[in-house]
Amino acid sequence: VQLVQSGAEVKKSGASVKVSCKASGYSFTSYYIHWVRQAPGQGLEWMGIINPGAGGTTYAQKFQGRITMTRDTSTSTVFMELSSLTSEDTAVYSCARGRVEMGDDAFDVWGQGTMVTVSP
Amino acid sequence: QSALTQPASVSGSPGQSITISCTGTSSDVGSYNLVSWYQQHPGKAPKLMIYEVSKRSSGVSNRFSGSKSGNTASLTISGLQAEDEADYYCCSYAGSSNWLFGGGTKLTVL
Repeated sequence: VQLVQSGAEVKKSGASVKVSCKASGYSFTSYYIHWVRQAPGQGLEWMGIINPGAGGTTYAQKFQGRITMTRDTSTSTVFMELSSLTSEDTAVYSCARGRVEMGDDAFDVWGQGTMVTVSP
Repeated sequence: QSALTQPASVSGSPGQSITISCTGTSSDVGSYNLVSWYQQHPGKAPKLMIYEVSKRSSGVSNRFSGSKSGNTASLTISGLQAEDEADYYCCSYAGSSNWLFGGGTKLTVL
């Protein structure tokens, strides 16, 4: 079971970034995927969740309006797009799998993280 | 929603026990038995240690235990070992498919 994310990105302020998370080793549509970010030297911040089966999403209020999570069931890949980037969005972005099928009580498998750097 | 409150740092000597607290509100920690704890070593992905307040994840040492009272959850590590030195984060379900993390606690093994 693993989640493999896309590579590091450098973006200008105001731009958008799209990070991918490819799942393998389990039934892709049976487990929710969360996105979590961590700014340099800071703590973990939950961003949102996607149900890869039905495609339904819930976003943290802080990001609503500029975050979009999608999935491609043909490639078992989840995407997280964040727009209107500022320097405060510089962080490592990680996907994480919900521990139980079609439910959630914790995040048991994590991607390796994708560093997104936003320059002025 | 504000992050859950954790002490910035704790420390202990090898063999000792330490406890890390995680304080939320009646809307998150106090309402759901869906508190989890994660260990993160520098430059590494978080590792699930405890879920549903007190259940150990597969392969996690029984030196790690979790509990909850009211709006505060706790992680206890007994028999401290050098390898336990890491950052620890609590996380709680906050309703309506939302989740909250704590600010993190740096554990130093003296």
